[in-house]
Amino acid sequence: GAVVSQHPSRVICKSGTSVKIECRSLDFQATTMFWYRQFPKKSLMLMATSNEGSKATYEQGVEKDKFLINHASLTLSTLTVTSAHPEDSSFYICSARLRGQGERNTEAFFGQGTRLTVV
Amino acid sequence: AQKVTQAQTEISVVEKEDVTLDCVYETRDTTYYLFWYKQPPSGELVFLIRRNSFDEQNEISGRYSWNFQKSTSSFNFTITASQVVDSAVYFCALSIGRNQGGKLIFGQGTELSVKP
Repeated sequence: GAVVSQHPSRVICKSGTSVKIECRSLDFQATTMFWYRQFPKKSLMLMATSNEGSKATYEQGVEKDKFLINHASLTLSTLTVTSAHPEDSSFYICSARLRGQGERNTEAFFGQGTRLTVV
Repeated sequence: AQKVTQAQTEISVVEKEDVTLDCVYETRDTTYYLFWYKQPPSGELVFLIRRNSFDEQNEISGRYSWNFQKSTSSFNFTITASQVVDSAVYFCALSIGRNQGGKLIFGQGTELSVKP
């Protein structure tokens, strides 16, 4: 099966610092990856769509300067939370879509998620 | 606009009871995909099922079954003979179009608690 690895699984950082979260597709190529955010006891909200070799597409209301996304290769996308504040504390989870045609484009595989706590 | 509604925020049942989790979706697109995911306390999303808009056949997988009805825009999920290990948050999700896999609109989630 298709495996997506997200790292780190947990991170605690001080307010004002930046944190980088990695999302890797281990056994397939992913031209498109997605980043979601989940507040406690809430649903998952799409933050941005990350396309290999181009700029990410952010959803309305998501600050692109706060949440920097880089998709430098077909197997890696990174989300950097810059100048983190306690309100950025959340569960962040990525998904990766198989590179392919037709029905294959309807599949996406999720990473394990990253629990960020900003103190 | 696309939307997924899971009206049941929390459900509590006793082991061996059957339980149905409701999901209602809204979209004007004719091609779309519906999903169910399980999220245990550890946080990862466990894929349960994907259904495309052209396939209204119900599906059964062990104790799990799904009822897809386009007429009512519903995609309900039933667990028969529930077990404590079924305790988790369950999300229904929608994606639009054949090339939109992964771009999911999630419902609010239903927290299922199965007590021994």
